[in-house]
Amino acid sequence: GEDVEQSLFLSVREGDSSVINCTYTDSSSTYLYWYKQEPGAGLQLLTYIFSNMDMKQDQRLTVLLNKKDKHLSLRIADTQTGDSAIYFCAESMRNDYKLSFGAGTTVTVRA
Amino acid sequence: GAGVSQSPSNKVTEKGKDVELRCDPISGHTALYWYRQSLGQGLEFLIYFQGNSAPDKSGLPSDRFSAERTGGSVSTLTIQRTQQEDSAVYLCASSRGTGGLETQYFGPGTRLLVL
Repeated sequence: GEDVEQSLFLSVREGDSSVINCTYTDSSSTYLYWYKQEPGAGLQLLTYIFSNMDMKQDQRLTVLLNKKDKHLSLRIADTQTGDSAIYFCAESMRNDYKLSFGAGTTVTVRA
Repeated sequence: GAGVSQSPSNKVTEKGKDVELRCDPISGHTALYWYRQSLGQGLEFLIYFQGNSAPDKSGLPSDRFSAERTGGSVSTLTIQRTQQEDSAVYLCASSRGTGGLETQYFGPGTRLLVL
């Protein structure tokens, strides 16, 4: 989606942290999501954050939200080869079930 | 099944032919979505069904595209007179449709190649 932007590629060494960034334009976004797509598969919801939160942590995943700058990030600690995938940022508005997706960030984990 | 299923998984067709893509949502999910994923692009919203309400067709790219949902369950996306630019992965998703946080569960997609 034109309203959600992400960098297209990220290469990270196994064991390091990955940080994937996303910017969005609609200040009325209610929920922001991170989806993961492995090769040949559909999208899998990784995590989400409500717009009144600044941070959410779930095991190796940390989501940071800066509403002022409309910036969302996903940090993956101790990145593993199984984390190689395309990661999509998405937003939804209150009472609107449609998701607006970014173009996806392809994360490649190298040994 | 436990998840969203789509068929066929792959479809190769000739330009000008019609194709039908099928989606079986998770049982009990009233909301169903179709998206298109072109190479190197994000997901493009196509159409959304919610219960018995009129579908939101605002994302359909042309009148060659149509979709229906029979009995509030299975959905079919039809592309008439296919063009090469229709080549993409077509993803279906469903959600509970109860409002609030609506987690969408995606199927594996149908990979369409128009020659």
